[in-house]
Amino acid sequence: DIVMTQSPDSLAVSLGERATINCKSSQSILYSSNNKYSLTWYQQKPGQPPKLLIYWASTRESGVPDRFSGSGSGTDFTLTISSLQAEDVAVYYCQQYYSPPITFGQGTRLEIK
Amino acid sequence: QVQLQQSGPGLVKPSQTLSLTCAISGDSVSSNSATWHWIRQSPSRGLEWLGRTYYRSKWYNDYAMSVKTRITFNSDTSKNHLSLQLNSVTPEDTAVYYCARAVAGNFGCWGQGILVVVSS
Repeated sequence: DIVMTQSPDSLAVSLGERATINCKSSQSILYSSNNKYSLTWYQQKPGQPPKLLIYWASTRESGVPDRFSGSGSGTDFTLTISSLQAEDVAVYYCQQYYSPPITFGQGTRLEIK
Repeated sequence: QVQLQQSGPGLVKPSQTLSLTCAISGDSVSSNSATWHWIRQSPSRGLEWLGRTYYRSKWYNDYAMSVKTRITFNSDTSKNHLSLQLNSVTPEDTAVYYCARAVAGNFGCWGQGILVVVSS
Protein backbone atom coordinates (compact mmCIF):
# COMPACT_ATOMS: atom_id res chain seq x y z
CA ASP A 1 0.00 0.00 0.00
CA ILE A 2 1.10 3.57 -0.65
CA VAL A 3 1.56 5.40 2.64
CA MET A 4 0.74 9.10 2.75
CA THR A 5 2.45 11.07 5.51
CA GLN A 6 1.44 14.64 6.30
CA SER A 7 3.33 17.26 8.24
CA PRO A 8 2.80 18.91 10.56
CA ASP A 9 0.00 17.20 12.47
CA SER A 10 -1.27 20.59 13.56
CA LEU A 11 -0.57 24.15 12.60
CA ALA A 12 -1.54 27.55 13.99
CA VAL A 13 -1.33 30.53 11.65
CA SER A 14 -2.37 34.15 12.06
CA LEU A 15 -5.22 35.52 9.98
CA GLY A 16 -3.94 36.81 6.66
CA GLU A 17 -0.73 34.81 6.88
CA ARG A 18 0.38 31.87 4.74
CA ALA A 19 -0.32 28.28 5.77
CA THR A 20 1.66 25.41 4.30
CA ILE A 21 0.83 21.71 4.70
CA ASN A 22 3.07 18.97 3.40
CA CYS A 23 2.30 15.48 2.18
CA LYS A 24 4.77 12.76 1.26
CA SER A 25 3.94 9.57 -0.60
CA SER A 26 5.90 6.38 0.04
CA GLN A 27 6.33 5.82 -3.70
CA SER A 28 5.76 7.64 -6.94
CA ILE A 29 2.16 8.50 -7.76
CA LEU A 30 2.88 9.90 -11.20
CA TYR A 31 0.18 8.80 -13.61
CA SER A 32 2.06 8.05 -16.81
CA SER A 33 -0.85 8.52 -19.22
CA ASN A 34 -1.11 12.25 -18.53
CA ASN A 35 2.13 12.91 -16.64
CA LYS A 36 0.22 14.22 -13.64
CA TYR A 37 0.34 13.26 -10.00
CA SER A 38 -2.60 11.33 -8.59
CA LEU A 39 -2.79 13.51 -5.48
CA THR A 40 -5.87 15.18 -4.05
CA TRP A 41 -6.37 17.57 -1.14
CA TYR A 42 -9.51 17.76 0.99
CA GLN A 43 -10.77 20.08 3.67
CA GLN A 44 -12.94 18.73 6.46
CA LYS A 45 -14.88 20.78 8.97
CA PRO A 46 -16.52 19.30 12.08
CA GLY A 47 -19.60 17.24 11.36
CA GLN A 48 -19.11 17.41 7.59
CA PRO A 49 -17.66 15.06 5.02
CA PRO A 50 -14.38 16.04 3.38
CA LYS A 51 -14.59 18.62 0.61
CA LEU A 52 -12.50 18.34 -2.53
CA LEU A 53 -10.09 21.27 -2.91
CA ILE A 54 -7.29 20.29 -5.29
CA TYR A 55 -6.80 17.34 -7.65
CA TRP A 56 -4.00 16.21 -9.94
CA ALA A 57 -1.81 17.82 -7.25
CA SER A 58 -2.37 21.37 -8.51
CA THR A 59 -5.79 21.73 -10.20
CA ARG A 60 -8.24 23.70 -8.11
CA GLU A 61 -11.78 22.37 -7.95
CA SER A 62 -14.46 24.68 -9.29
CA GLY A 63 -15.63 27.12 -6.64
CA VAL A 64 -12.58 26.76 -4.41
CA PRO A 65 -11.05 30.17 -3.56
CA ASP A 66 -7.82 30.94 -5.35
CA ARG A 67 -5.98 31.41 -2.06
CA PHE A 68 -5.77 27.59 -2.06
CA SER A 69 -3.04 26.13 -4.26
CA GLY A 70 -1.32 22.80 -4.62
CA SER A 71 2.17 22.00 -5.80
CA GLY A 72 4.78 19.33 -5.70
CA SER A 73 6.57 16.65 -7.63
CA GLY A 74 8.21 13.32 -7.07
CA THR A 75 6.89 12.17 -3.75
CA ASP A 76 6.56 15.54 -2.00
CA PHE A 77 3.47 17.72 -2.25
CA THR A 78 2.26 20.92 -0.64
CA LEU A 79 -1.04 22.61 0.00
CA THR A 80 -0.71 26.35 0.47
CA ILE A 81 -3.28 28.81 1.73
CA SER A 82 -1.89 32.17 0.75
CA SER A 83 -3.84 34.33 3.19
CA LEU A 84 -5.60 32.47 5.98
CA GLN A 85 -9.23 33.29 6.57
CA ALA A 86 -11.27 32.34 9.63
CA GLU A 87 -13.39 29.93 7.57
CA ASP A 88 -10.27 27.94 6.65
CA VAL A 89 -10.06 26.43 10.13
CA ALA A 90 -10.40 22.72 9.41
CA VAL A 91 -8.53 19.47 9.07
CA TYR A 92 -6.81 18.96 5.73
CA TYR A 93 -6.09 15.59 4.14
CA CYS A 94 -4.09 14.46 1.18
CA GLN A 95 -5.06 11.33 -0.72
CA GLN A 96 -3.51 9.24 -3.48
CA TYR A 97 -5.50 7.46 -6.13
CA TYR A 98 -2.59 6.14 -8.15
CA SER A 99 -3.40 2.56 -7.21
CA PRO A 100 -5.83 0.77 -4.92
CA PRO A 101 -6.09 0.75 -2.04
CA ILE A 102 -6.74 4.46 -2.10
CA THR A 103 -5.01 5.93 0.92
CA PHE A 104 -5.20 9.15 2.88
CA GLY A 105 -2.78 11.09 4.99
CA GLN A 106 -3.42 11.26 8.72
CA GLY A 107 -4.65 14.85 8.50
CA THR A 108 -3.32 18.27 9.51
CA ARG A 109 -5.38 20.39 11.89
CA LEU A 110 -5.22 24.08 10.98
CA GLU A 111 -6.09 26.67 13.61
CA ILE A 112 -5.91 30.41 14.03
CA LYS A 113 -3.01 31.75 16.07
CA GLN B 1 -25.87 18.20 -9.19
CA VAL B 2 -25.08 14.82 -7.76
CA GLN B 3 -26.30 14.10 -4.24
CA LEU B 4 -25.81 11.06 -2.07
CA GLN B 5 -28.19 10.29 0.80
CA GLN B 6 -27.15 7.63 3.25
CA SER B 7 -29.38 5.59 5.52
CA GLY B 8 -28.97 2.78 7.99
CA PRO B 9 -28.86 1.96 11.69
CA GLY B 10 -26.55 3.83 13.99
CA LEU B 11 -26.10 0.94 16.42
CA VAL B 12 -25.08 -2.61 15.61
CA LYS B 13 -24.36 -5.42 18.06
CA PRO B 14 -21.01 -7.22 17.94
CA SER B 15 -20.89 -10.20 15.58
CA GLN B 16 -23.88 -8.90 13.62
CA THR B 17 -24.02 -7.35 10.14
CA LEU B 18 -23.74 -3.65 9.44
CA SER B 19 -25.93 -2.64 6.48
CA LEU B 20 -25.96 0.82 4.90
CA THR B 21 -27.59 2.27 1.81
CA CYS B 22 -26.54 5.21 -0.33
CA ALA B 23 -29.25 6.69 -2.56
CA ILE B 24 -27.95 8.51 -5.64
CA SER B 25 -29.59 11.48 -7.32
CA GLY B 26 -28.23 13.41 -10.28
CA ASP B 27 -26.28 10.46 -11.68
CA SER B 28 -26.73 6.79 -12.39
CA VAL B 29 -25.24 4.01 -10.30
CA SER B 30 -24.34 2.37 -13.61
CA SER B 31 -22.55 5.46 -14.89
CA ASN B 32 -19.69 4.70 -17.28
CA SER B 33 -17.54 7.51 -15.92
CA ALA B 34 -18.01 7.42 -12.15
CA THR B 35 -16.93 4.97 -9.50
CA TRP B 36 -18.69 4.58 -6.19
CA HIS B 37 -16.78 4.18 -2.98
CA TRP B 38 -17.26 3.43 0.68
CA ILE B 39 -14.96 5.13 3.16
CA ARG B 40 -15.02 5.17 6.93
CA GLN B 41 -13.50 7.50 9.46
CA SER B 42 -12.58 6.91 13.06
CA PRO B 43 -10.17 8.60 15.48
CA SER B 44 -7.99 5.50 15.59
CA ARG B 45 -7.87 4.69 11.87
CA GLY B 46 -8.43 8.08 10.23
CA LEU B 47 -9.96 8.00 6.76
CA GLU B 48 -10.00 4.40 5.61
CA TRP B 49 -11.03 3.41 2.10
CA LEU B 50 -13.18 0.27 2.18
CA GLY B 51 -13.55 -0.29 -1.53
CA ARG B 52 -15.33 0.66 -4.73
CA THR B 53 -17.91 -0.56 -7.16
CA TYR B 54 -18.38 0.52 -10.74
CA TYR B 55 -19.98 -0.48 -14.00
CA ARG B 56 -18.06 -0.79 -17.25
CA SER B 57 -20.23 -3.15 -19.31
CA LYS B 58 -20.29 -5.32 -16.21
CA TRP B 59 -20.00 -4.73 -12.47
CA TYR B 60 -16.65 -4.58 -10.74
CA ASN B 61 -15.91 -4.54 -7.01
CA ASP B 62 -12.59 -3.85 -5.31
CA TYR B 63 -12.33 -4.33 -1.57
CA ALA B 64 -9.73 -3.21 0.93
CA MET B 65 -7.69 -6.10 2.27
CA SER B 66 -8.52 -5.11 5.85
CA VAL B 67 -12.21 -5.98 5.34
CA LYS B 68 -12.13 -8.16 2.21
CA THR B 69 -13.42 -11.30 3.89
CA ARG B 70 -16.34 -9.52 5.57
CA ILE B 71 -17.59 -6.89 3.13
CA THR B 72 -20.02 -6.93 0.22
CA PHE B 73 -21.15 -4.14 -2.08
CA ASN B 74 -24.36 -4.29 -4.07
CA SER B 75 -25.86 -1.92 -6.60
CA ASP B 76 -29.56 -1.64 -7.36
CA THR B 77 -30.14 0.00 -10.72
CA SER B 78 -33.93 0.11 -10.28
CA LYS B 79 -33.59 2.14 -7.08
CA ASN B 80 -30.35 3.82 -8.17
CA HIS B 81 -28.64 3.09 -4.92
CA LEU B 82 -25.62 1.37 -3.43
CA SER B 83 -25.45 -0.80 -0.39
CA LEU B 84 -22.73 -2.00 1.91
CA GLN B 85 -22.80 -5.03 4.17
CA LEU B 86 -20.06 -5.65 6.71
CA ASN B 87 -20.32 -8.95 8.55
CA SER B 88 -19.11 -10.04 11.96
CA VAL B 89 -18.57 -6.52 13.24
CA THR B 90 -16.53 -5.71 16.32
CA PRO B 91 -16.13 -2.47 18.27
CA GLU B 92 -13.17 -1.69 15.99
CA ASP B 93 -15.69 -1.18 13.18
CA THR B 94 -17.21 1.79 15.02
CA ALA B 95 -16.80 4.74 12.66
CA VAL B 96 -18.54 7.30 10.50
CA TYR B 97 -19.29 5.59 7.22
CA TYR B 98 -19.41 7.55 3.97
CA CYS B 99 -20.34 6.73 0.43
CA ALA B 100 -18.66 8.86 -2.21
CA ARG B 101 -18.64 9.36 -5.95
CA ALA B 102 -15.33 9.59 -7.73
CA VAL B 103 -14.41 10.72 -11.19
CA ALA B 104 -10.78 10.10 -12.16
CA GLY B 105 -10.11 9.11 -8.57
CA ASN B 106 -11.28 12.34 -6.98
CA PHE B 107 -14.04 12.19 -4.40
CA GLY B 108 -16.04 15.21 -5.47
CA CYS B 109 -19.31 14.17 -3.88
CA TRP B 110 -19.86 12.55 -0.49
CA GLY B 111 -22.83 11.32 1.45
CA GLN B 112 -23.59 13.01 4.72
CA GLY B 113 -21.99 10.20 6.71
CA ILE B 114 -23.54 7.88 9.28
CA LEU B 115 -22.00 7.18 12.65
CA VAL B 116 -22.23 3.46 13.30
CA VAL B 117 -21.48 2.31 16.82
CA VAL B 118 -20.79 -1.36 17.44
CA SER B 119 -21.85 -2.13 20.97
CA SER B 120 -23.98 -4.59 22.90
